[in-house]
Amino acid sequence: GAGVSQSPSNKVTEKGKDVELRCDPISGHTALYWYRQSLGQGLEFLIYFQGNSAPDKSGLPSDRFSAERTGGSVSTLTIQRTQQEDSAVYLCASSSQASGSTGELFFGEGSRLTVL
Amino acid sequence: GENVEQHPSTLSVQEGDSAVIKCTYSDSASNYFPWYKQELGKRPQLIIDIRSNVGEKKDQRIAVTLNKTAKHFSLHITETQPEDSAVYFCAASIGTALIFGKGTTLSVSS
Repeated sequence: GAGVSQSPSNKVTEKGKDVELRCDPISGHTALYWYRQSLGQGLEFLIYFQGNSAPDKSGLPSDRFSAERTGGSVSTLTIQRTQQEDSAVYLCASSSQASGSTGELFFGEGSRLTVL
Repeated sequence: GENVEQHPSTLSVQEGDSAVIKCTYSDSASNYFPWYKQELGKRPQLIIDIRSNVGEKKDQRIAVTLNKTAKHFSLHITETQPEDSAVYFCAASIGTALIFGKGTTLSVSS
């Protein structure tokens, strides 16, 4: 596709349920990031994938959060046993830079998660 | 932990005035400093970036300055226009991650 695609765009779930958020990066981009944006807050780094290297998971807030990237392309962010404080917009971004932290990030539209 | 501090959190200016947003970072190894603009309801987009071998970079009405010794960098917008109203985020490369500040909401009134 022409840009980073995320789904679902909106997700409402009940506390305690598991959710999966999907990101389809720009074709050929080797670097992929997940960020979380809460109301009035900045972009909180969650996890970074670069090619076949082990991901940088240092931003994941708890062990309820996990992410994988299959075949170096599509990524899925999974939140288990959701809590109300997980409510936020989850943004995915990809980059063509071999060192993703030093190149332009192209963001998706985000997935807005609401935990009731 | 490693972080990026951004000030001010909100900034209101009159059309035609200049706006300055400042950021500091903690990791002396950081070497890439981009600025992103996020309009209401839209995704963040890169507007300008600077690398550590450069002290200043300009693109039309926007400029960024970097002081590596003091570990701070700034965004300058001159001749502001209403369409400059948005949230602006600074960021710094820290290890393999790109860490963002909490953002500055800029409002330009005509």
